[in-house]
Amino acid sequence: GAGVSQTPSNKVTEKGKYVELRCDPISGHTALYWYRQSLGQGPEFLIYFQGTGAADDSGLPNDRFFAVRPEGSVSTLKIQRTERGDSAVYLCASSFGGGGTDTQYFGPGTRLTVL
Amino acid sequence: KNQVEQSPQSLIILEGKNCTLQCNYTVSPFSNLRWYKQDTGRGPVSLTIMTFSENTKSNGRYTATLDADTKQSSLHITASQLSDSASYICVVSSGGGNKLTFGTGTQLKVEL
Repeated sequence: GAGVSQTPSNKVTEKGKYVELRCDPISGHTALYWYRQSLGQGPEFLIYFQGTGAADDSGLPNDRFFAVRPEGSVSTLKIQRTERGDSAVYLCASSFGGGGTDTQYFGPGTRLTVL
Repeated sequence: KNQVEQSPQSLIILEGKNCTLQCNYTVSPFSNLRWYKQDTGRGPVSLTIMTFSENTKSNGRYTATLDADTKQSSLHITASQLSDSASYICVVSSGGGNKLTFGTGTQLKVEL
């Protein structure tokens, strides 16, 4: 596809359940980012991949959050034992080389609601 | 803690008018500053990016300025259009430039 895609677009789950959010970056982009955006707030950095490895995971709030990118393209954000406070829009972005001035292209996000 | 503050929080203007949005930041070490436009329900889209040495950058009707000494930036929108209605987010990157700190955005509404 031409842009970053994310699935599902909406996810409703119950407290304590496990969820997986998927991101398909732009083809050829080596850098991939995950952000979390709460209502009325700007996105908050979670994790950054360069290729298959997590170059910076300092934004992950706790060990219930984990992300993988096993083949250097598609990434999955995994949240265990979901809590109501995890409800937010989870945005994925990719950039060509991961350089500091590279433009990050964002997907439409996955809206996660934890009941 | 790195912070990016934006003002005003929201703004309503008439179509055809100009407006200026403000951004103040306390991010160190500074790498670059970006302005993004985010339509409701969509991901942010990059408008401009400025490094330390750049004072101004234009993208069509959008002009961004940067004063690295006072750690302030502005986004000026000229001859506004209805399609400009969106949230405008100021984003500052630090270190190698990959870690972004986002402001909370200015919600702009352009009316007839």
